[in-house]
Amino acid sequence: GQNIDQPTEMTATEGAIVQINCTYQTSGFNGLFWYQQHAGEAPTFLSYNVLDGLEEKGRFSSFLSRSKGYSYLLLKELQMKDSASYLCAALDSNYQLIWGAGTKLIIKP
Amino acid sequence: GAVVSQHPSWVICKSGTSVKIECRSLDFQATTMFWYRQFPKQSLMLMATSNEGSKATYEQGVEKDKFLINHASLTLSTLTVTSAHPEDSSFYICSARSRRDYEQYFGPGTRLTVT
Repeated sequence: GQNIDQPTEMTATEGAIVQINCTYQTSGFNGLFWYQQHAGEAPTFLSYNVLDGLEEKGRFSSFLSRSKGYSYLLLKELQMKDSASYLCAALDSNYQLIWGAGTKLIIKP
Repeated sequence: GAVVSQHPSWVICKSGTSVKIECRSLDFQATTMFWYRQFPKQSLMLMATSNEGSKATYEQGVEKDKFLINHASLTLSTLTVTSAHPEDSSFYICSARSRRDYEQYFGPGTRLTVT
């Protein structure tokens, strides 16, 4: 079957760095997305990785290892507004997104 | 670019009535649109996938006669919740995908409350 695993909840301190891990098992693989979702709002796109390695975009970076079925989202210089759920989603062989349950990130002052 | 709108943003209806939610891609042609449902503190649940001009493909456990999806054009898809019941109260989110890439662009969501 197809499966995406990510931690349910994480807590970090304002100004610090946090890494949210995601492992995936899919029928075929055409890339991995990270989305941010604030409570009561729709998800917003953060990153897309299809090749191995690290993609940096400002305070957010995303890493992919296809051989390990593993990705992480790295958030630096955490701000209170980063408190949200972070959704990992893998694109399978049919180009359908398989969603993780999301990681709720709590930022403390 | 890649803006998706949803209407209405929120709706309250009485049990037994039907509600239509519209999803529009404003600046691109959406060959595929997706409808999701999200209950409080839970992840997105894909309800159905629709391709322009063809019937929607529903996920297991989603009643196609209750959740009617129409994707009549490359910029518009509608979800009609028929004979709504309180358990249908949820946050309904659509997303759209273009031919150019595989990213899904999300609408702002519609909060449905059935009383």
